[in-house]
Amino acid sequence: EVQLVQSGAEVKKPGESLKISCKGSGYSFTNYWIGWVRQMPGKGLEWMGIIYPGASDTRYSPSFQGQVTISADKSITTAYLQWSSLKASDTAMYYCVGCIVAASPYYFDSWGQGTLVTVSS
Amino acid sequence: DIQMTQSPSSLSASVGDRVTITCRASQGISNYLAWYQQKPGKVPKLLIYAASTLQSGVPSRFSGSGSGTDFTLTISSLQPEDVATYYCHGRWTFGQGTNVEIK
Repeated sequence: EVQLVQSGAEVKKPGESLKISCKGSGYSFTNYWIGWVRQMPGKGLEWMGIIYPGASDTRYSPSFQGQVTISADKSITTAYLQWSSLKASDTAMYYCVGCIVAASPYYFDSWGQGTLVTVSS
Repeated sequence: DIQMTQSPSSLSASVGDRVTITCRASQGISNYLAWYQQKPGKVPKLLIYAASTLQSGVPSRFSGSGSGTDFTLTISSLQPEDVATYYCHGRWTFGQGTNVEIK
């Protein structure tokens, strides 16, 4: 069974750094794209970016380029989403998404449970 | 950037009604279009990909069509468990969502 298990909720202050994780299991981690989707409180879904762990090929939405860093550690089948300096506007639920069944980076057939990030002074 | 425009933004229909949601891309995206369902407080779920391919386990009352710039999600007979927000997603851009309620 394909599973994406995300790290727990975080409460941070503006200016702090953060790295959240998503551990994949039940499939060949290096051979499928894995990405991140943001959902701000009461709002819609926003695609942030995606990585192909086998080649470290990473693509970003123009809206998030330079704002976050997506990475992956093949040895522990885990993808990461990282901020160097959080803002209050980064408060949101972040979903890890896998592109496995359809084997295309454009279709998110597997979803993590979400990581709630709250940034407040 | 590609823009995805969904309509309507919300709708209310009776159980058993046929419901149609449309999505228009600002430029041609071939059939790189997916539909997701998000029930209140839940994780989104893939319903349809490649514009018309039903994801495994999704009820057959859901169907998708279209290619290029214009796409449609149809629920042939609305059920109470279909209350949710539906999002189209074309080449890494989500539509703004359609909130579906029961009348």
